[in-house]
Amino acid sequence: GQSLEQPSEVTAVEGAIVQINCTYQTSGFYGLSWYQQHDGGAPTFLSYNALDGLEETGRFSSFLSRSDSYGYLLLQELQMKDSASYFCAVSSNTGKLIFGQGTTLQVKP
Amino acid sequence: EPEVTQTPSHQVTQMGQEVILRCVPISNHLYFYWYRQILGQKVEFLVSFYNNEISEKSEIFDDQFSVERPDGSNFTLKIRSTKLEDSAMYFCASSVYGGDSYEQYFGPGTRLTVT
Repeated sequence: GQSLEQPSEVTAVEGAIVQINCTYQTSGFYGLSWYQQHDGGAPTFLSYNALDGLEETGRFSSFLSRSDSYGYLLLQELQMKDSASYFCAVSSNTGKLIFGQGTTLQVKP
Repeated sequence: EPEVTQTPSHQVTQMGQEVILRCVPISNHLYFYWYRQILGQKVEFLVSFYNNEISEKSEIFDDQFSVERPDGSNFTLKIRSTKLEDSAMYFCASSVYGGDSYEQYFGPGTRLTVT
């Protein structure tokens, strides 16, 4: 089977840095994606890692270690609008995404 | 910016009734997906579709579910005989290519309520 583990909730203050971890157990792993979802709205793509290392996209970075079956999303210079749910997802060669349970990030002033 | 659209935004139906959820993927995308999200839970994969065929489907996608691309723009999910447990938000998504590295664009969802 496939499973992903991520913390259920994280709280941080504006301007801070927060890291959301994700560990996975899966067969046929191709890559790890991160999606943001505000209040049950459409999930929005943030980042993707297929190889080990760090990918940086503006204030967001994502890291993958395939040998450790581990990745994280790093959010810098937190803003109030970053309050949302963040999902890690593993992808297969057919494009199927298997999502984690999601981490609710609350940014406080 | 191109976006995936879905109709209706909210559908209420009685148990045992058939529903059709509609999606218009982004026009140059070739791969299409349906996911669902029960309130407060994770997003779950239902089915992927390419070249007028199902590429992959999950255990959730049983004989009560079907997908169709009836024309060049629409992509539909049909549930033949709805059950209470089918109540969820259903998201359509599309991508330019399949495989692992391509961003999937999600629609705003259809909230299905089965009573």
